[in-house]
Amino acid sequence: QGQLVQSGAEVKKPGASVRVSCKASGYTFTGYYMHWVRQAPGQGLEWMGRINPNNGDTNYAQKFQGRVTMTRDTSIRTAYMELSRLRSDDTAVYYCARAVPGSNHFDNWGQGALVTVSS
Amino acid sequence: EIVMTQSPATLSVSPGEGATLSCRASQGVSSNLAWYQQKPGQAPRLLIFGASTRATGIPARFSGSGSGTEFTLTISSLQSEDFVIYYCQHYNDWPLTFGGGTKVEVK
Repeated sequence: QGQLVQSGAEVKKPGASVRVSCKASGYTFTGYYMHWVRQAPGQGLEWMGRINPNNGDTNYAQKFQGRVTMTRDTSIRTAYMELSRLRSDDTAVYYCARAVPGSNHFDNWGQGALVTVSS
Repeated sequence: EIVMTQSPATLSVSPGEGATLSCRASQGVSSNLAWYQQKPGQAPRLLIFGASTRATGIPARFSGSGSGTEFTLTISSLQSEDFVIYYCQHYNDWPLTFGGGTKVEVK
């Protein structure tokens, strides 16, 4: 079935960058797109983009274009999401989520990583 | 961008009763619609995909229906663990978008 384990909570200052990792186990890492979804405190879910772990191809939500970079390291089965030029409204829990092959709904989620942006 | 609108925002139901949650898309998404359940402090969990197919391990009291722009999640007999938040998500086009959620609370 698989498991996704994310890195821990981070506190960053406005203007800084943050990188969140997502380590996969129990399934073929390169066989499933990895997406990133965030959730601001008390708010709903917001899709940020996805990466194809097989070749590194990415698709980003327009809202995050130019600020987000998704990468992967297949040797350690880990996906990364880096968000730059952080603002206070980037404070959120960031989730990685595995997409079902051939679809874009999510059958496996990481536990989430809280990123707090505060001066 | 396809806007997903869930209603009601909060649904008050007595344990053992049924609940019907609605999700409307601003344009047609065929059957490319998923439902997730989110418990406090946890990641979302997939309940339904393809508008009506239950995910692995999901109890039969959860069912989904609809296509195009109107979708429904029905919980036939609410258990204590079902009083949480539910989200719909379309995956018909880019960007993927979620509804604002429906909180199911104890009446």
